[in-house]
Amino acid sequence: DTGVSQNPRHKITKRGQNVTFRCDPISEHNRLYWYRQTLGQGPEFLTYFQNEAQLEKSRLLSDRFSAERPKGSFSTLEIQRTEQGDSAMYLCASSFSQAYGYTFGSGTRLTVV
Amino acid sequence: KQEVTQIPAALSVPEGENLVLNCSFTDSAIYNLQWFRQDPGKGLTSLLLIQSSQREQTSGRLNASLDKSSGRSTLYIAASQPGDSATYLCAVESQGNLIFGKGTKLSVKP
Repeated sequence: DTGVSQNPRHKITKRGQNVTFRCDPISEHNRLYWYRQTLGQGPEFLTYFQNEAQLEKSRLLSDRFSAERPKGSFSTLEIQRTEQGDSAMYLCASSFSQAYGYTFGSGTRLTVV
Repeated sequence: KQEVTQIPAALSVPEGENLVLNCSFTDSAIYNLQWFRQDPGKGLTSLLLIQSSQREQTSGRLNASLDKSSGRSTLYIAASQPGDSATYLCAVESQGNLIFGKGTKLSVKP
């Protein structure tokens, strides 16, 4: 297992287009998280899955954002009708339990032009 | 609401110096605290994880301490090297997810 994998690494899109990102967590981790990080800030929590169930969503996750984790394996994060303010690094993390901490992927950098 | 603060925001030191990065949090009801390193444009690399029942963890030249009652953690880096240059992020697991500080940007000059 090579860790948490995120694709694509970079995405440039025009304002108003839809984009989808994928995260493949460490296989034995049942907890999966999405975070967003803007320049000079720490990552901010977006949403959390335990297996296939989405258990928590931040107020940052507007109705243009949707996340899924079918079958409790990989996860996708879709942003509809992108806006320039959506430009950020989108980070995925997975965890086995609180005793083992979080493992992050390399992130997907989104630029909306 | 849990808030995490890191001081200083930026630090520049000559190679070989020992240094301390500080992290404070407002709510002591945490499950654990994790220190990460982030290189420019990259993801986060976990450095140390301290459970709420622990006082410190060590890995190589890194030592992290936790004082839950006062809401503080420190990351000590011994004999700093240019390769240590990065942003260091502190995060507490609280209210079901990780809450981050804004980080300390470290520059180690050769």
